[in-house]
Amino acid sequence: GENVEQHPSTLSVQEGDSAVIKCTYSDSASNYFPWYKQELGKRPQLIIDIRSNVGEKKDQRIAVTLNKTAKHFSLHITETQPEDSAVYFCAASTGAGGTSYGKLTFGQGTILTVHP
Amino acid sequence: NAGVTQTPKFQVLKTGQSMTLQCAQDMNHNSMYWYRQDPGMGLRLIYYSASEGTTDKGEVPNGYNVSRLNKREFSLRLESAAPSQTSVYFCASSEVQGVQPQHFGDGTRLSIL
Repeated sequence: GENVEQHPSTLSVQEGDSAVIKCTYSDSASNYFPWYKQELGKRPQLIIDIRSNVGEKKDQRIAVTLNKTAKHFSLHITETQPEDSAVYFCAASTGAGGTSYGKLTFGQGTILTVHP
Repeated sequence: NAGVTQTPKFQVLKTGQSMTLQCAQDMNHNSMYWYRQDPGMGLRLIYYSASEGTTDKGEVPNGYNVSRLNKREFSLRLESAAPSQTSVYFCASSEVQGVQPQHFGDGTRLSIL
């Protein structure tokens, strides 16, 4: 099955800096890569996702890049703010026929702390 | 729209007791999922239901059973709770199985003594 590795496990930045979180996946058939943000004691919430037919997607201060050849994808947050502090999870799944069809495999999570 | 609703929010059980976690969604989604979240291990899929009438095992199904009662509801049952099942349980749903975003409920914090 799919295996997703996420790094770093913790990330501390100053307000206004950029933050980058990286994930690698094992199943070359994976074609959907969402990112979730989870605040303490809350539910995971989708912040951005990317499908395999594009290499980059942006939404205001957040961007995700995908390198299918190298089987890795990254989350970029620019101009970080204290409210960006949370745990971020990457995930991967495949479409029909893939070993992880319809099943999200999550990374271990990154604790992001943004210091004012 | 409530989205995905889970009950109860908190529960304490004794080893060997049984209980059912309830999940309902009002988004007319076809697919529903149960995850457990443990510190440092992200979210792991327990069971999922691609559509009404079907259920399949995920990564960690041992000790659990599920029922897709109808399109809206998907329950998770612990027949004989064990301390290793102490965790936070999340239910999620998506429009279809596969490459669609999953929407999560608020979670159930379960402690087994």
